[in-house]
Amino acid sequence: DAKTTQPPSMDCAEGRAANLPCNHSTISGNEYVYWYRQIHSQGPQYIIHGLKNNETNEMASLIITEDRKSSTLILPHATLRDTAVYYCIVRVANNQGGKLIFGQGTELSVKP
Amino acid sequence: DVKVTQSSRYLVKRTGEKVFLECVQDMDHENMFWYRQDPGLGLRLIYFSYDVKMKEKGDIPEGYSVSREKKERFSLILESASTNQTSMYLCASLRGGEQFFGPGTRLTVL
Repeated sequence: DAKTTQPPSMDCAEGRAANLPCNHSTISGNEYVYWYRQIHSQGPQYIIHGLKNNETNEMASLIITEDRKSSTLILPHATLRDTAVYYCIVRVANNQGGKLIFGQGTELSVKP
Repeated sequence: DVKVTQSSRYLVKRTGEKVFLECVQDMDHENMFWYRQDPGLGLRLIYFSYDVKMKEKGDIPEGYSVSREKKERFSLILESASTNQTSMYLCASLRGGEQFFGPGTRLTVL
């Protein structure tokens, strides 16, 4: 299973873009990159996912490098409510019922 | 909106008790999951199920069992609760590649 590496914590000023990096150098060709976040005392929430093209939705943008060994989640205008732990996950290739392996994540603190 | 509900937000049990944690989803999803979350260890998969009456062990199944008698309901069972099973338990269901999580049950075993 491909592993991911994320910085343990980051700060971001309110209103600024938050750029959260993730390394997944052992990713396989058919594995997707998923991002979830977990606000304190709540269950994780899906944000976005991608295979090799950049993706954007109402919550965030996902930039995947051409070699697919790393990616960046971008929150274009961070708010205080975006303070959470952000998980970068690579989906296992054998698709065991959609099993996701969660790492330690990045604790993002958005400050006024 | 997909809804995943868990029977309790907070639960306190005694060592040796049999504990049932219930999870219900309302979107006819086939795949459901039970995780536990502990400080410094992240989310760890206990069991998952990809169909009624089907179950697969996750990474830490010891001390747990599950039941999936109906598609919408996935139960986690602690046969004899122990203090090291004090944790936050999270249930999820899957649509496509997206997992939908419940609010979690914080279980304390005394």
